[in-house]
Amino acid sequence: DVKVTQSSRYLVKRTGEKVFLECVQDMDHENMFWYRQDPGLGLRLIYFSYDVKMKEKGDIPEGYSVSREKKERFSLILESASTNQTSMYLCASSFWQGHQPQHFGDGTRLSIL
Amino acid sequence: SQKIEQNSEALNIQEGKTATLTCNYTNYSPAYLQWYRQDPGRGPVFLLLIRENEKEKRKERLKVTFDTTLKQSLFHITASQPADSATYLCAWRGNAGNMLTFGGGTRLMVKP
Repeated sequence: DVKVTQSSRYLVKRTGEKVFLECVQDMDHENMFWYRQDPGLGLRLIYFSYDVKMKEKGDIPEGYSVSREKKERFSLILESASTNQTSMYLCASSFWQGHQPQHFGDGTRLSIL
Repeated sequence: SQKIEQNSEALNIQEGKTATLTCNYTNYSPAYLQWYRQDPGRGPVFLLLIRENEKEKRKERLKVTFDTTLKQSLFHITASQPADSATYLCAWRGNAGNMLTFGGGTRLMVKP
């Protein structure tokens, strides 16, 4: 079974802090994704990586950066957290072929105070 | 840009009935449409995929249809059970790239 593990289920941080969200997958997937999910707005793609050290911007990259130093690990970084970044963050992974399903972690609920 | 629209209102049905959920896309025909199930506090789980040249796909009690004229996919759960209660998401993928565009999801409640 594919396992996508996100480092924290719940996280509370303060405005202006640098925040790291970690994601690890165990299926040797090439693609990894970071989404945020908000009521009424659905899942929105922040960043996508198709290989180590490679990344592409999604629909809402502003205020975020990512790091992929190893194939199994994809980190999302909030450079200077703001209250409008309070959200559920979901990581996903898939094989490189576009039709392959994405496998999701259970999310990190991040609150910025 | 592409928009994926799902009915944001919850769908309430009686156990044993067929649930039908709708996914509409606005502009470009997808290369693929994928359907996911999401339970509260959990990440989405992949259910089914339908390609642009397919009209129907089945998996056990699940059926997905695709109508390019209407720009619509329908997701059916036959003989529904309370355990089918969840939010169902549809996701569109175009001909280029590996990114999915998700709809907002429809919450299904199956009452015993």
